Order: sequence, then structure tokens, then C-alpha cells
Amino acid sequence: AQKVTQAQTEISVVEKEDVTLDCVYETRDTTYYLFWYKQPPSGELVFLIRRNSFDEQNEISGRYSWNFQKSTSSFNFTITASQVVDSAVYFCALSDPYIQGGSEKLVFGKGMKLTVNP
Amino acid sequence: DTAVSQTPKYLVTQMGNDKSIKCEQNLGHDTMYWYKQDSKKFLKIMFSYNNKELIINETVPNRFSPKSPDKAHLNLHINSLELGDSAVYFCASSQALAGGPYNEQFFGPGTRLTVL
Repeated sequence: AQKVTQAQTEISVVEKEDVTLDCVYETRDTTYYLFWYKQPPSGELVFLIRRNSFDEQNEISGRYSWNFQKSTSSFNFTITASQVVDSAVYFCALSDPYIQGGSEKLVFGKGMKLTVNP
Repeated sequence: DTAVSQTPKYLVTQMGNDKSIKCEQNLGHDTMYWYKQDSKKFLKIMFSYNNKELIINETVPNRFSPKSPDKAHLNLHINSLELGDSAVYFCASSQALAGGPYNEQFFGPGTRLTVL
């Protein structure tokens, strides 16, 4: 069965610190997708990134970067120079995109609450 | 323009009542989902529909009945509400890309259901 583990439940940092959110996944599939979503205090779920299992290149988007390592089944997320607006719950998720009948199932980690203090 | 919308945003009701949550997407996607987020923030899929057809049903009590009148709408009806049904319910949609995989799921704003 697919599983996503976010070992950290809560992290508190001071503004401008770098912070890394860990994500470890388990799957028997060779083709799969990994995601990060952000849930700010307002409650909506905001898509951050989608990465397929064949693309192990790291990705950078502004202050955000992602490190995908298939050998350790990890997809870690780093925020550089954190800001107060980064305070949110962050979810890592894994999908099996080829469910018969046309659907996709996202399995979420338990989420990690990041608090960035001024 | 709102991509995935849900109504109502808040729903407070008594145990034993029946209630519905509506979801609409204007993205032209063919697949829609319901997720439940419990008090510990854990998100779990409940159902998915593809072109009005039920695809995923994740051992949800049969008091929960999704209905998809067309591919832009997926409503969730809950009978005989229980205290444990209190949660935030998220609707989402996605679209299969050419060749099979799906794009990311777009989530609605959530409906906070409180059962008293």
C-alpha cells in the first residue's frame, strides 16, 4: 500500500532562516507522482509542485526548492529565507495516476505545521 | 473566477440530520473528488468520479452518498449525521493529460461541517 510519512509534525523558525520539510514515501509502483500542497491558516489547499517518478532533477522556484531522491524514497522541500507568510501546514502527497476507470488517488502525509516568527 | 467552488463554506447541524454539500468546477475537468480532513488535519480521499461515474469509494459509510449530475458537479449528501462526521470536506478536480497521467488536483475552499 502507498504511504507518505512526514516525520516532523511542527517546526518553528525565525524569519530569514532556511527550513527543510522532510517527506518519505512508500510505493510498489514504478510510475507515480509526488506533490507538495500548502494549507495556510485561511484553510485552502494550494498546489506547490508535482514531480513524476522518472524526473529526479531538483527544482527551484524562487525561495522554494525540492530535492527528489528515489534511492531514499524522499521528496524534501526547502524554504530559503523563510517569511511570516510561509506559516502554514505543508502536505506531501503521493499519487497512483493509473487507477482503472480514469481517476487518480492522492495519499497525503499527516502534514507539517510551519510557524515563521518575525 | 473561482475554479472549484463549494457551498456552503460552514455547516452547523444537529446529530441525526441529513445535509448536502455542493461542489462545482469550471475547469472543464472530467474527474472530481471528495476528501475529508479531520481535526488532526489528516486528509483522506473519500470518493472520485470520472464523467459522472463512481471510480473510487474508500470504505466510506453508506450514509455518505455522492451524486454527480454532470461532470462539472459533484455533490455530497450525508444522512443521519454523527458527531464523528465533523470535519472539513474538500472537493477537488483534475484532468487526464494526453497519454494518461493526471495534472495536479485543484481543490475547493473546503466546507467545515460541525455536528452538535
